[in-house]
Amino acid sequence: GAVVSQHPSRVICKSGTSVKIECRSLDFQATTMFWYRQFPKQSLMLMATSNEGSKATYEQGVEKDKFLINHASLTLSTLTVTSAHPEDSSFYICSAMTGGIGRDEQFFGPGTRLTVL
Amino acid sequence: AQSVTQLDSQVPVFEEAPVELRCNYSSSVSVYLFWYVQYPNQGLQLLLKYLSGSTLVKGINGFEAEFNKSQTSFHLRKPSVHISDTAEYFCAVTPKGYQKVTFGTGTKLQVIP
Repeated sequence: GAVVSQHPSRVICKSGTSVKIECRSLDFQATTMFWYRQFPKQSLMLMATSNEGSKATYEQGVEKDKFLINHASLTLSTLTVTSAHPEDSSFYICSAMTGGIGRDEQFFGPGTRLTVL
Repeated sequence: AQSVTQLDSQVPVFEEAPVELRCNYSSSVSVYLFWYVQYPNQGLQLLLKYLSGSTLVKGINGFEAEFNKSQTSFHLRKPSVHISDTAEYFCAVTPKGYQKVTFGTGTKLQVIP
């Protein structure tokens, strides 16, 4: 099946620094990628939809200047948490959608645990 | 807009016993339905999906789910659970023709030896 990777798997940073998380589709091209955030003991909340070559679409309440998304190629999307604060600590998960068979299925990455001190 | 309700936040069950995890949804349009499993500190893995056709859907790891349009439900079942099934399970819905997925709040399945 389609494989999605995320890097890093864990990151700890100081408050005020920026952190970049990469999401890659390893064996398929993904025109659309999604970024989710999952708080402890809660469900996944969609943050933004990332389309290759165009600006991301953010969900209501998500600060686009704080969570910068770049979908530079058909296999890579990045999420940069700018000026991170402790309340940004969370589990960030990306997913990618294929354009062919199974196009209604999203393939999820393993997630990135961000801890802001 | 769509919504998904998973009424049970936690379900304890003895090993080799059957289990049902409940999922109800609401939508004004036709939808696709999914069940995902999440192991600790990992991403989501698709268990099964309903797109169209037979309302009984079989997935991986011996799980199956039945789409009931009249009751707007998509309950997940397994006739005999194993310790390795201990995980959190998410029901999800997306409108046909769209990409945005709405997730339920999740059900933690705890299999007791």
